[in-house]
Amino acid sequence: EAGVTQSPTHLIKTRGQQATLRCSPISGHTSVYWYQQALGLGLQFLLWYDEGEERNRGNFPPRFSGRQFPNYSSELNVNALELEDSALYLCASSAGRTSGYNEQFFGPGTRLTVL
Amino acid sequence: GDSVTQMEGPVTLSEEAFLTINCTYTATGYPSLFWYVQYPGEGLQLLLKATKADDKGSNKGFEATYRKETTSFHLEKGSVQVSDSAVYFCALLSGGSYIPTFGRGTSLIVHP
Repeated sequence: EAGVTQSPTHLIKTRGQQATLRCSPISGHTSVYWYQQALGLGLQFLLWYDEGEERNRGNFPPRFSGRQFPNYSSELNVNALELEDSALYLCASSAGRTSGYNEQFFGPGTRLTVL
Repeated sequence: GDSVTQMEGPVTLSEEAFLTINCTYTATGYPSLFWYVQYPGEGLQLLLKATKADDKGSNKGFEATYRKETTSFHLEKGSVQVSDSAVYFCALLSGGSYIPTFGRGTSLIVHP
């Protein structure tokens, strides 16, 4: 069974540009979570999508946004990039209602570098 | 609100040494508790979990016991290997919440 996949692996942008990151959950999973892992700061929760709807967002500005598609894959968009957005962005999926949202499975991440 | 506190790293050990990484938590109700491991250049992998008090999660020689009285979930391994070098994250998921709370991670470095 394929795990959570993310693309691209690495992304280099300049300040002010927009970045789009993609995530495909494990087959059958309906929930997708996005996290930012900046150096020395642990995991910071960004966004949660479940069954196509945004269910919760963390303490990030509105220039961080995303969506979930009918096939449950997801996209994270970061507008007006700032240097401090440089981080590893992790996507996780869970089975949603059938598992009580109990266990998350992570992808390998997208390393975003803003110059 | 919920919180997870892990011991500061890095933890540096010689191969075959005993490992303990401390984790304590603050949460309402009876959360589920998790340990995740992140190897260099990779995402997080679930290592083990426990869903109720006194449960012991175990996997790959690692184990942790859910101690409600001390609100702790310490990770232990009897004999570490070089391949265990990674960052370990303790996390909790409160009942009724769908977003886990993670600790800041503890880096483990094992020397041959």
